[in-house]
Amino acid sequence: DIQTTQSPSSLSASVGDRVTITCQTSQNINIYLNWYQQKPGKAPKLLINAASSLQSGVPSRFSGSGSGTDFTLTITSLQPEDFATYYCQQSYTTPLTFGGGTKVEIK
Amino acid sequence: EVQLVQSGGGLVQPGESLRLSCAASGFIFKTFEMNWVRQAPGKGLEWVSYISSRGDDIFYADSVKGRFTISRDNAKNSLYLQMNSLRAEDTAVYYCARGTSMAHWGQGNLVTVSS
Repeated sequence: DIQTTQSPSSLSASVGDRVTITCQTSQNINIYLNWYQQKPGKAPKLLINAASSLQSGVPSRFSGSGSGTDFTLTITSLQPEDFATYYCQQSYTTPLTFGGGTKVEIK
Repeated sequence: EVQLVQSGGGLVQPGESLRLSCAASGFIFKTFEMNWVRQAPGKGLEWVSYISSRGDDIFYADSVKGRFTISRDNAKNSLYLQMNSLRAEDTAVYYCARGTSMAHWGQGNLVTVSS
């Protein structure tokens, strides 16, 4: 099985900050990596698929990069509505695996 | 508009069974792979099961293999998860999701396994 490791598990940041979350997989998954945002009591929302492809309607302050085993989600200027938990997920092969999540909290 | 509307869920005792349903609309259901994903209270996301568009490829997480069965009825635009021999550790919100890059999710159903 492909292990998907996300860091940090939580972070505190202020509105306007640049935030970076990393995801590492135990095997080469090319660009089969997706990023989700989840707010309490809600279903996850797909932000980025194929490592760097921004979903329609997602603000351009979100971006993704990487390939192979190392990936990054960047939020360039954190907004109040961005405080949430973020997950990476590999879609290269089953079992599909998610990272443990990164909770972005207000400093 | 793509919609995935879930039903089922609830409180059951250990060892009992439950069936979840996911009704799809707004897209050609028979052309999409589907998944079930769950989230235990206060925990992260865990993939549960996958089914191909025609239902001929099926995969399960080790934690549910042999107890859960995924199926679909393309004529009814519906996805199902039959859960047998439920355990306390199966307590979670269960989501259906479209595709392996899960762009669309159901609203979630809470399944509580407790005596």
